[in-house]
Amino acid sequence: EAQVTQNPRYLITVTGKKLTVTCSQNMNHEYMSWYRQDPGLGLRQIYYSMNVEVTDKGDVPEGYKVSRKEKRNFPLILESPSPNQTSLYFCASSPEPPGSFTDTQYFGPGTRLTVL
Amino acid sequence: QKEVEQNSGPLSVPEGAIASLNCTYSDRGSQSFFWYRQYSGKSPELIMFIYSNGDKEDGRFTAQLNKASQYVSLLIRDSQPSDSATYLCAVNKDSNYQLIWGAGTKLIIKP
Repeated sequence: EAQVTQNPRYLITVTGKKLTVTCSQNMNHEYMSWYRQDPGLGLRQIYYSMNVEVTDKGDVPEGYKVSRKEKRNFPLILESPSPNQTSLYFCASSPEPPGSFTDTQYFGPGTRLTVL
Repeated sequence: QKEVEQNSGPLSVPEGAIASLNCTYSDRGSQSFFWYRQYSGKSPELIMFIYSNGDKEDGRFTAQLNKASQYVSLLIRDSQPSDSATYLCAVNKDSNYQLIWGAGTKLIIKP
């Protein structure tokens, strides 16, 4: 089954404790992306990756890191989480970048993160 | 001004009626426009995409694009209670390969 998986689905942590949210897709997609979703603000892109070893900042990259060492995996790293990073996080993948007339992104189920 | 704007709603529509959702965008160079549906607690799923001015129909859904006026709309005919969800408008940025998202319109279909 074609899918994007994220782990963990729920996480409560404390300020400053490093964490990683994993994202994996089994569709051999080139493009992967991380979003955060906050009430009233919609989805905001954190980082995206056009291919292995190619990553770029989205609109809200501060406080986050990513890596793309393999095509299927795109982990999101919070080196020193803070309460303002409490949010719902989505990973997404697509065969090509969204602006290149491709028709959809496939989203993971989401990770709800709470930083105390 | 937000780059992609939607009325947050909620928009309440009787079952069987037409639901009309609107979205305006600021980047005149945008070429790709998407409507996603998101049920509470779930991830977004694509409903429609449109690239050319005019209407595009898919079943009960019609997307309308007017680049001169910089708006895109989604019509849902014969609305069903299962259409109750938040509808997200997304627009590509002209300058790079990113999507900019509206905050979404909450739609409620009343039986």
